[in-house]
Amino acid sequence: DQQVKQNSPSLSVQEGRISILNCDYTNSMFDYFLWYKKYPAEGPTFLISISSIKDKNEDGRFTVFLNKSAKHLSLHIVPSQPGDSAVYFCAARVSGTYKYIFGTGTRLKVLA
Amino acid sequence: DAGITQSPRHKVTETGTPVTLRCHQTENHRYMYWYRQDPGHGLRLIHYSYGVKDTDKGEVSDGYSVSRSKTEDFLLTLESATSSQTSVYFCASADTGELFFGEGSRLTVL
Repeated sequence: DQQVKQNSPSLSVQEGRISILNCDYTNSMFDYFLWYKKYPAEGPTFLISISSIKDKNEDGRFTVFLNKSAKHLSLHIVPSQPGDSAVYFCAARVSGTYKYIFGTGTRLKVLA
Repeated sequence: DAGITQSPRHKVTETGTPVTLRCHQTENHRYMYWYRQDPGHGLRLIHYSYGVKDTDKGEVSDGYSVSRSKTEDFLLTLESATSSQTSVYFCASADTGELFFGEGSRLTVL
């Protein structure tokens, strides 16, 4: 039973526009959320994170929003660039542990 | 980036043979992880370690064992490989926040 879900397997966006990637979780016992980016044949790389006590965190072109009541996490990329084309994973840390559960990933394609 | 290396990077083996994947980190991170990546399933946690000789099961631990005798090394063993264990395996380490991943080990079980 997947506790962290990314319901959109793929997303295409025009260069310069906003990319919005979504993630839903079913377990309230998560205290930290993260987004990772993965290129083919490489390991995932960390993008941005947010603690469960916050609702927004921003880092350059990347902003993560957390809606705890809806158990929903989103990543906004503005403006989108062709180099952002990759698979994006959301992840959640189980409270009181260092156990991280990942979603199934969303493949983002930014069209030039 | 954390220095995490995985070996071997590619391996082809036959059903029923034992396989060990090695992960080595140079960051003195306390926590280490093994994940597998499969189409449609994303990254699934196999086992993780929260200290030397301290390990715990993840979401898909059946058929896998791990060992951590030193802070820097985390071994994943498939005692008797099956075709369902064909996958890309990623090791990761962490200190207090985000995970740092290795480049992956592609395992094919024929």
